[in-house]
Amino acid sequence: DQQVKQNSPSLSVQEGRISILNCDYTNSMFDYFLWYKKYPAEGPTFLISISSIKDKNEDGRFTVFLNKSAKHLSLHIVPSQPGDSAVYFCAASKGNSGSARQLTFGSGTQLTVLP
Amino acid sequence: SQTIHQWPATLVQPVGSPLSLECTVEGTSNPNLYWYRQAAGRGLQLLFYSVGIGQISSEVPQNLSASRPQDRQFILSSKKLLLSDSGFYLCAWRQGRGDYGYTFGSGTRLTVV
Repeated sequence: DQQVKQNSPSLSVQEGRISILNCDYTNSMFDYFLWYKKYPAEGPTFLISISSIKDKNEDGRFTVFLNKSAKHLSLHIVPSQPGDSAVYFCAASKGNSGSARQLTFGSGTQLTVLP
Repeated sequence: SQTIHQWPATLVQPVGSPLSLECTVEGTSNPNLYWYRQAAGRGLQLLFYSVGIGQISSEVPQNLSASRPQDRQFILSSKKLLLSDSGFYLCAWRQGRGDYGYTFGSGTRLTVV
């Protein structure tokens, strides 16, 4: 049962244009969402997050949108740069009493920004 | 500042051999610790997490085990590796409260041959 889904395994975008990465989730108990960026042979690094009480969070070129009714979030990168080429993971979190808050990850989307 | 160390970076092991991957965190106390695996072409799968010394929770039944002998040390082990254990193993930590994001180590590429 995949609770966090990234249906596009890959995305190619021209440099300077907008990159839109999508993520869907099924568990309505998720209340915090994150995006991570991963280069080959490295650990993922945190990019941006959003709480379920918000519908938008912006940080420089990166904006995350959350649509709770559709259980959908997206990451917008504007303008896209070649250095943005990486695998992007969507992750979701929910509170668990008596245990560590865990992140559930999607399968990732490989973004390639073409010069 | 907090840092997380994971080693080795790469490992090639024969089927049936044992495994020990180590992860240590510096600059924090009582972190929550996690082991994830990224199999080829797949996402990040949570294997184990720990909220304190000697406390291990397993998410997926498998050929692996984890231990936390010290507050900032998390070890992933296997007595006999299988071919299906190949993958990219990531250790991560987070504080027990507040920030919900993880900080990941640089990962270990394990190839079982």
